[in-house]
Amino acid sequence: GAVVSQHPSRVICKSGTSVKIECRSLDFQATTMFWYRQFPKQSLMLMATSNEGSKATYEQGVEKDKFLINHASLTLSTLTVTSAHPEDSSFYICSARTGAVGSNQPQHFGDGTRLSIL
Amino acid sequence: GENVEQHPSTLSVQEGDSAVIKCTYSDSASNYFPWYKQELGKRPQLIIDIRSNVGEKKDQRIAVTLNKTAKHFSLHITETQPEDSAVYFCASTGRRALTFGSGTRLQVQP
Repeated sequence: GAVVSQHPSRVICKSGTSVKIECRSLDFQATTMFWYRQFPKQSLMLMATSNEGSKATYEQGVEKDKFLINHASLTLSTLTVTSAHPEDSSFYICSARTGAVGSNQPQHFGDGTRLSIL
Repeated sequence: GENVEQHPSTLSVQEGDSAVIKCTYSDSASNYFPWYKQELGKRPQLIIDIRSNVGEKKDQRIAVTLNKTAKHFSLHITETQPEDSAVYFCASTGRRALTFGSGTRLQVQP
């Protein structure tokens, strides 16, 4: 159980393009979803936290107008990287959890999306 | 916010030896401490976790210890095998999302 599906797995596109990444919880309802970014040989850095039906909470230094997050249902969250530039190239990983923040429930991770901006 | 420090950054052991990775956390409200194994280009895989009401947990060759007073937790891998080679991340959470350590690249030499 607790499968998180993330698509696409790989995106290569030109600078200035907007890219949408989907994250779905397949067999559970995800009250909270998280988006992380991981640069090569670095750790996972939290970008934002979203709860179904409300606005996402962004971490310091993450531009909310550039990284648009929509958590429209209990099983789907999307991250849109608007007007992507080469410095946005990274491995983006979503994570989902049942229960509210602080509920002490495990986070389940998607397979990640490798974004390469030319 | 939470700060998680992880050491060492790289660790090389001979097959069959033990490996220990240590982490410290800053938020006394943290109550859940998972460990993840990540292979190149793949998602983190949960290998073991511990909650703050437990001091030690073991699963076959893997064990985790937690010292709440000192805010330390450690991963112990015994009888290491080449397939244990990967990057390992500790993490902690209490009131917010998981905060990850900086990672340890474990290399098990055959």
